Amino acid sequence: GQQVMQIPQYQHVQEGEDFTTYCNSSTTLSNIQWYKQRPGGHPVFLIQLVKSGEVKKQKRLTFQFGEAKKNSSLHITATQTTDVGTYFCAEGGSEKLVFGKGTKLTVNP
Amino acid sequence: EPEVTQTPSHQVTQMGQEVILRCVPISNHLYFYWYRQILGQKVEFLVSFYNNEISEKSEIFDDQFSVERPDGSNFTLKIRSTKLEDSAMYFCASRPDRSITGELFFGEGSRLTVL
Repeated sequence: GQQVMQIPQYQHVQEGEDFTTYCNSSTTLSNIQWYKQRPGGHPVFLIQLVKSGEVKKQKRLTFQFGEAKKNSSLHITATQTTDVGTYFCAEGGSEKLVFGKGTKLTVNP
Repeated sequence: EPEVTQTPSHQVTQMGQEVILRCVPISNHLYFYWYRQILGQKVEFLVSFYNNEISEKSEIFDDQFSVERPDGSNFTLKIRSTKLEDSAMYFCASRPDRSITGELFFGEGSRLTVL
């Protein structure tokens, strides 16, 4: 089945630093979704990218979908302690979502 | 705001016992899922359910697992004879339709601990 590889597995930053997580696939993705899971919480939808080269922004979060639709990234500018959690990409080319392993972000105040 | 609700929030059971996890999806949603997450690991697909039947299932979803929609609102996951490795957080999710685009709405999860 479709596999999405996500790096890094862990990222620790100082508050105010930027953060980026990457999602890669060996095959073309029909769409990519990003979710955030707070510690002890459940996955919460952030965004969906469908078009090649698409860029979407949500306040300090910037999401990109590669031109070849084989990779995606989530960039957070000037992290805050409220950004802590695990960020998952998920490939949605079929009726189910296939999640990457996630990047766990910790922020030092 | 409508949400997916799950019960129980935490269940402790002995190995070999049957467990039923319950979910109430968002009322106008048509597509239902169970995912599981072993502590610290990724969210793994178990099964999807549409129009009162399983639409797709993963290799994890073996004969020990079953799903049911006994009435118009509840969606249940049954594990017939639990094993230690079934210990995980089980998330129910729903989606308005079968489209391959569109977010999944997750419940808060049921933590299963098998002793």
